[in-house]
Amino acid sequence: EPEVTQTPSHQVTQMGQEVILRCVPISNHLYFYWYRQILGQKVEFLVSFYNNEISEKSEIFDDQFSVERPDGSNFTLKIRSTKLEDSAMYFCASSADRQVSYEQYFGPGTRLTVT
Amino acid sequence: QQQVKQSPQSLIVQKGGISIINCAYENTAFDYFPWYQQFPGKGPALLIAIRPDVSEKKEGRFTISFNKSAKQFSLHIMDSQPGDSATYFCAARSAGNMLTFGGGTRLMVKP
Repeated sequence: EPEVTQTPSHQVTQMGQEVILRCVPISNHLYFYWYRQILGQKVEFLVSFYNNEISEKSEIFDDQFSVERPDGSNFTLKIRSTKLEDSAMYFCASSADRQVSYEQYFGPGTRLTVT
Repeated sequence: QQQVKQSPQSLIVQKGGISIINCAYENTAFDYFPWYQQFPGKGPALLIAIRPDVSEKKEGRFTISFNKSAKQFSLHIMDSQPGDSATYFCAARSAGNMLTFGGGTRLMVKP
């Protein structure tokens, strides 16, 4: 069964450093998303991406964040200068078609720890 | 207005019992309501979903009941099993296919 994959599973970084989280969405999917989950809290939407541009973004997704689809398979989230409060689980998700199917499939997540 | 409120925060059910988790929303623009199951250390997995023109949807032991006028929906897990022990999140979709999640319910099914 196709699945969303994410690397690394755990990333430790120092405050102020840049991090790139990587995702490989399901191969025929067209819509891509990033969500985050601070430990013990609910899942929060960050950004959606379609046709090589951002479709929607939340208030959390400020200028420190960027997304990119550098090739036909990867989808990345970059945090330019990490803060302690960026420590969270980051989930990538993908969906086939926003109009026909709203189903979003999530990857296993990357745990980001900022020290 | 974008919030989805979920209750209870935690739930303990005996094996074979019925687990009921409730969610409420304010934004009438929400047009799709999925439920996700999450095991520790894993990503949310889509369990079942409903659109607001349907009042009930059943898949196996899982049923969503939807009350559009009350802006409430619930997940019922029949014949709950220890393997169902997980955190359950309701969610609601808005423009841009953005999902707004509820706060989660930690379900424990006792053998």
